[in-house]
Amino acid sequence: DAMVIQNPRYQVTQFGKPVTLSCSQTLNHNVMYWYQQKSSQAPKLLFHYYDKDFNNEADTPDNFQSRRPNTSFCFLDIRSPGLGDAAMYLCATSRDREVNEQYFGPGTRLTVT
Amino acid sequence: GQNIDQPTEMTATEGAIVQINCTYQTSGFNGLFWYQQHAGEAPTFLSYNVLDGLEEKGRFSSFLSRSKGYSYLLLKELQMKDSASYLCAGLDSNYQLIWGAGTKLIIKP
Repeated sequence: DAMVIQNPRYQVTQFGKPVTLSCSQTLNHNVMYWYQQKSSQAPKLLFHYYDKDFNNEADTPDNFQSRRPNTSFCFLDIRSPGLGDAAMYLCATSRDREVNEQYFGPGTRLTVT
Repeated sequence: GQNIDQPTEMTATEGAIVQINCTYQTSGFNGLFWYQQHAGEAPTFLSYNVLDGLEEKGRFSSFLSRSKGYSYLLLKELQMKDSASYLCAGLDSNYQLIWGAGTKLIIKP
């Protein structure tokens, strides 16, 4: 039944140790998004893919990378996590850029020790 | 610049009605979304307005005035489970969502 799945739900990593978060969708949507959300703040868009077309937000740090090997999967790689990267990471999909009702996964809460 | 403004926190009583306001400034406009987010969970879609007026969906209604750059979410017959953050988001001319920080709604018995 789950439409947007994120794994793991909780991730603990050490300062500077690379980590990968994954997202998969069963909706066959063209667009996939990665957001970072800190407590009581708005979700902050990091990247989005329109099909295979990658779009990086101007203020997304180089420390964050993303891959979308196929329609269903998308990955967020944090190369050297810092304490400031501790947050909830949300994956979302939409059918199209113009049809922008976004469906969110449950999120991965990242803790950096 | 692009901006979404909404109150940080509101309190209401179970069974009552509450209106959460949102003002927006976006580069172009392709609609206004409301999402509900329970603590520690992902946002879930509530409503989308692109034309002026009121859209009703059960206990929840959303209103848009494009000339005023203003929207509100109206929640009726409040239930304890409605305690959550309510996020307003505007869709700009590039079809990017500009998010507000959310309004935390506290429901008291």
